[in-house]
Amino acid sequence: DGGITQSPKYLFRKEGQNVTLSCEQNLNHDAMYWYRQDPGQGLRLIYYSQIVNDFQKGDIAEGYSVSREKKESFPLTVTSAQKNPTAFYLCASSPTPLGLAGVRYEQYFGPGTRLTVT
Amino acid sequence: QKEVEQNSGPLSVPEGAIASLNCTYSDRGSQSFFWYRQYSGKSPELIMFIYSNGDKEDGRFTAQLNKASQYVSLLIRDSQPSDSATYLCAVNIVGGNQFYFGTGTSLTVIP
Repeated sequence: DGGITQSPKYLFRKEGQNVTLSCEQNLNHDAMYWYRQDPGQGLRLIYYSQIVNDFQKGDIAEGYSVSREKKESFPLTVTSAQKNPTAFYLCASSPTPLGLAGVRYEQYFGPGTRLTVT
Repeated sequence: QKEVEQNSGPLSVPEGAIASLNCTYSDRGSQSFFWYRQYSGKSPELIMFIYSNGDKEDGRFTAQLNKASQYVSLLIRDSQPSDSATYLCAVNIVGGNQFYFGTGTSLTVIP
């Protein structure tokens, strides 16, 4: 059964603690992405990775870190430096990196992790 | 700043009617356009994509693209209560590695 999995579905943490969100895909997609969604706002890109062992910052990378050691996995760590970490976090993937000349591919989302920090 | 604008709604239509959702974008380099449906508390689900000017139909859904006017729309025919959700518009620009999302339009289909 192919798809993108995120775990856990709900996560609660105390302020000052780092927390790691899992994202796994078995679609053999090259590119993976992390977004955050806040009420009333669109999706904002945190980090993306086009290939293993390479990743780039998105628009709101401060306070977050990622790794891409395996093609199928792209975990996101929310550090204590992130000032407003409570949000809905979405992982996505696409068959190839977006932006290649003449190449157009869609992006698919995992089920999301809802993080609450108190 | 690459902007994607959507009317936040809420948009209400009676069951069986046509729902029309609109999206404008600011970057003329935009080349790929996507519509996602997001139910409350769930993740976005891709329902339509369009790359060329004109109409693209898939079942009850029709996406319309007008690059000259920088406008993309989604029509839902024979609207059903199960269509009640937030619809997100997204664009990707030529040579870009990112999608840019609108804030979404909330649609309610009234039985």
